Amino acid sequence: GENVEQHPSTLSVQEGDSAVIKCTYSDSASNYFPWYKQELGKGPQLIIDIRSNVGEKKDQRIAVTLNKTAKHFSLHITETQPEDSAVYFCAACGQAGTALIFGKGTTLSVSS
Amino acid sequence: GAVVSQHPSWVICKSGTSVKIECRSLDFQATTMFWYRQFPKQSLMLMATSNEGSKATYEQGVEKDKFLINHASLTLSTLTVTSAHPEDSSFYICSAFPGLVNTGELFFGEGSRLTVL
Repeated sequence: GENVEQHPSTLSVQEGDSAVIKCTYSDSASNYFPWYKQELGKGPQLIIDIRSNVGEKKDQRIAVTLNKTAKHFSLHITETQPEDSAVYFCAACGQAGTALIFGKGTTLSVSS
Repeated sequence: GAVVSQHPSWVICKSGTSVKIECRSLDFQATTMFWYRQFPKQSLMLMATSNEGSKATYEQGVEKDKFLINHASLTLSTLTVTSAHPEDSSFYICSAFPGLVNTGELFFGEGSRLTVL
């Protein structure tokens, strides 16, 4: 089955800096790669996603890139703000009808 | 976006009791829902796939007799933790995708925190 690796596990940046989180996946059939933000005591919230027919997607300060050949995808947050502090999870989804498999998460801390 | 609601959001129970958690899709029908478990400072681990009108599919290592899943309608799935013990204390999160075809985009409930004393 699918296996998703995520790095780093913790990331501390200064307000205004950029943050990059990287994930790799094992199943070449996976075709959907979302990123979730989870705040303490709450369920995950989708922040951006990308499908296998696209190499890059951007939404304001957040962007995701996908390299299908290398089987890795990355989350980029620019101009970080304290409210960006949370745990971020990458995930991969393979065949239709299957569940998302999550990476282990990255705790992002943005200090002002 | 689509809304998934869980109830209760937090439950504390004594060891040996059973606890039921409900997951509802409020504005869409879901033929499939997924149940995840999340221990503190860990990732979401898939427990089982809940299929409307049929038996749930459990992941390896998850006891189906302990974690009973019922998907009785297109908008409701329930997870019952039977004879709960302290090691079952965790954050349980359900998710679903709108529509009949899984495009991958899952919507998550707010989670249910179970504390077993």
